[in-house]
Amino acid sequence: AQSVTQLDSHVSVSEGTPVLLRCNYSSSYSPSLFWYVQHPNKGLQLLLKYTSAATLVKGINGFEAEFKKSETSFHLTKPSAHMSDAAEYFCVVSVRSSNTGKLIFGQGTTLQVKP
Amino acid sequence: NAGVTQTPKFQVLKTGQSMTLQCAQDMNHEYMSWYRQDPGMGLRLIHYSVGAGITDQGEVPNGYNVSRSTTEDFPLRLLSAAPSQTSVYFCASSYQGHGTDTQYFGPGTRLTVL
Repeated sequence: AQSVTQLDSHVSVSEGTPVLLRCNYSSSYSPSLFWYVQHPNKGLQLLLKYTSAATLVKGINGFEAEFKKSETSFHLTKPSAHMSDAAEYFCVVSVRSSNTGKLIFGQGTTLQVKP
Repeated sequence: NAGVTQTPKFQVLKTGQSMTLQCAQDMNHEYMSWYRQDPGMGLRLIHYSVGAGITDQGEVPNGYNVSRSTTEDFPLRLLSAAPSQTSVYFCASSYQGHGTDTQYFGPGTRLTVL
C-alpha cells in the first residue's frame, strides 16, 4: 500500500526567506513522487517529479526536492520565497511500475508568504 | 492545445437531482481520471479509464458513474445527488497511466448539493 504524510498543514514564511515543505511517504513498491501546486481557485500544476533517476530533482519556479530512501522523505525546498509562491502544495506518490495511473495525495500544505 | 477542459465551472443541485460533469482533453492521452477534493483530505480518486471503452473504480466510486466512448471525453455522472457530494471535482489525463507519467489537471468544477 502507498500513503503520503505532509507534516505541516500550514507554513508561513517571509518573502525572501527559504521555504521547506515536508513530505514522508510509505510504499510497498518503488515509488514515483510528485509535488503539485494549486493556486486559489485554480487547477493543479506539476512542480517536479522523481521517477528513479537523480535523487535531487529540480522543478519550475526555483523549487527542488530530494528523494531520500533511507528517510522515506521527499521534502520540497526553495531558497527564497516570492509572494507568488503563496498556494497549496500537494505531495503525491504512485507506484512506478503501475499502469493504472493511481495517485495517492497528501493532505496538502498551505504556504503563506508575508511581505 | 487547450489541455484538459471541464464544464461547468460551478453548479448548484438539489438533493436527488442528476447531472453530468464534462471533461475533455486534446492531448491524445489514453488515461483519464476523476478526483474529488475536500478540505483537509487532498484529492481522492473516483473513477479512471486506461483507454476508450475501459473504466474502473477508484477509492470513492459510490454515487458516480463514468463511461469512455472516445479517447477525448470522460464524463462523470451523478445519478442522485446528495449533500455529501458537495466538493470540487477535478479531471486529469496522462499519456498512458504509467506510474511515472505526469498527470495534467483541468481547472475543476465546484459543485454544491443543497
